[in-house]
Amino acid sequence: AQSVTQLDSHVSVSEGTPVLLRCNYSSSYSPSLFWYVQHPNKGLQLLLKYTSAATLVKGINGFEAEFKKSETSFHLTKPSAHMSDAAEYFCVVISYSSASKIIFGSGTRLSIRP
Amino acid sequence: GAVVSQHPSRVICKSGTSVKIECRSLDFQATTMFWYRQFPKQSLMLMATSNEGSKATYEQGVEKDKFLINHASLTLSTLTVTSAHPEDSSFYICSARDPLRGLAGGPTDTQYFGPGTRLTVL
Repeated sequence: AQSVTQLDSHVSVSEGTPVLLRCNYSSSYSPSLFWYVQHPNKGLQLLLKYTSAATLVKGINGFEAEFKKSETSFHLTKPSAHMSDAAEYFCVVISYSSASKIIFGSGTRLSIRP
Repeated sequence: GAVVSQHPSRVICKSGTSVKIECRSLDFQATTMFWYRQFPKQSLMLMATSNEGSKATYEQGVEKDKFLINHASLTLSTLTVTSAHPEDSSFYICSARDPLRGLAGGPTDTQYFGPGTRLTVL
């Protein structure tokens, strides 16, 4: 079985400070992991993905995530938050198996304080 | 590249009418598309997987006669909400899998999402 848990429903940081959005997963097979961002009333935009290559993945807009198999984590980070980063972030897992399904985390709302 | 469009972006209809939502992959061919539903402040719920040239696969609890899916070509999938009721009001999002941008033919290929359709049933 596969699942994904986003540990924080809401994260608030000040502009210019680091961002950490946490994601833990469980999967019976080697997973592919994704982070998507959704701005209000918009579709989802791919930030980055891990597909068994380098464990540190760099994405768009300065975001990156590190796949840690021992901790079953795929946390999203950014060194310096910008006001435009305020949005909903979803961690997504897909396992490569005959019964693979895409599983969405519950989402983390990121707020940026001026 | 990898752009997915949806039409319309917003629709308001009367209870009992049917509404069709289109999902198009603009610059790639998508043998598989997905339809999701999202309630306010919640995550996406997969409704069905749409396969070009064959019947859609519906998730448990999703009425296939209520939500008709047609995937007539490699770039177009449609979702028709039949006899819509107020409880069908939601944000509907489609995605398309681009097999050329991920693992060769694997199910973990990246999905690209449309901008969503806001359905309001009065």
